[in-house]
Amino acid sequence: GESVGLHLPTLSVQEGDNSIINCAYSNSASDYFIWYKQESGKGPQFIIDIRSNMDKRQGQRVTVLLNKTVKHLSLQIAATQPGDSAVYFCAENRGSSNTGKLIFGQGTTLQVKP
Amino acid sequence: NAGVTQTPKFRILKIGQSMTLQCTQDMNHNYMYWYRQDPGMGLKLIYYSVGAGITDKGEVPNGYNVSRSTTEDFPLRLELAAPSQTSVYFCASSYIDYTEAFFGQGTRLTVV
Repeated sequence: GESVGLHLPTLSVQEGDNSIINCAYSNSASDYFIWYKQESGKGPQFIIDIRSNMDKRQGQRVTVLLNKTVKHLSLQIAATQPGDSAVYFCAENRGSSNTGKLIFGQGTTLQVKP
Repeated sequence: NAGVTQTPKFRILKIGQSMTLQCTQDMNHNYMYWYRQDPGMGLKLIYYSVGAGITDKGEVPNGYNVSRSTTEDFPLRLELAAPSQTSVYFCASSYIDYTEAFFGQGTRLTVV
């Protein structure tokens, strides 16, 4: 069935290193993708988004890459800090074919070691 | 600037009881969503609404009902609570699709 999924459930990195979190999606009709960060006991917070007509978008310390050929997107966090420790979710909006549905993947836990 | 507000924050229900989870947003967003999040899992879409008077089912709508009589409010109703509905429930809103969704702090529901 259709799904948005993540390759690894947990990623452990050293403080100061770069982190790469991956996400696979299966619906080629998806045309908008978002990365969210969820800290313990809180609701998800928006990090960065990307539309399907782009393959890269940069924010502050974060970069999202989209590869439509293999239906894969990744979140890169530069100089990872302890405050980056959280669960990261990718989400897709199957906009034009199913307006309003924002579907989430399972999540990757990022652990930052001091 | 309250954003998305959910009430209550915590609730324990007995099997067969009913309750309404409240959600309100003050950002004049058209789109609103209800998700549930089971431990260690992602968010599953229960219902969503693209505007007042319009609702539609998400991935896991069984056992739930919603209404959207105003732009601001999007309550989620559980009619006959079951242990399988033990979860954390998140409400979210966005201006339109193709834009970020803002989330509330969640309601932790336990059905015993």
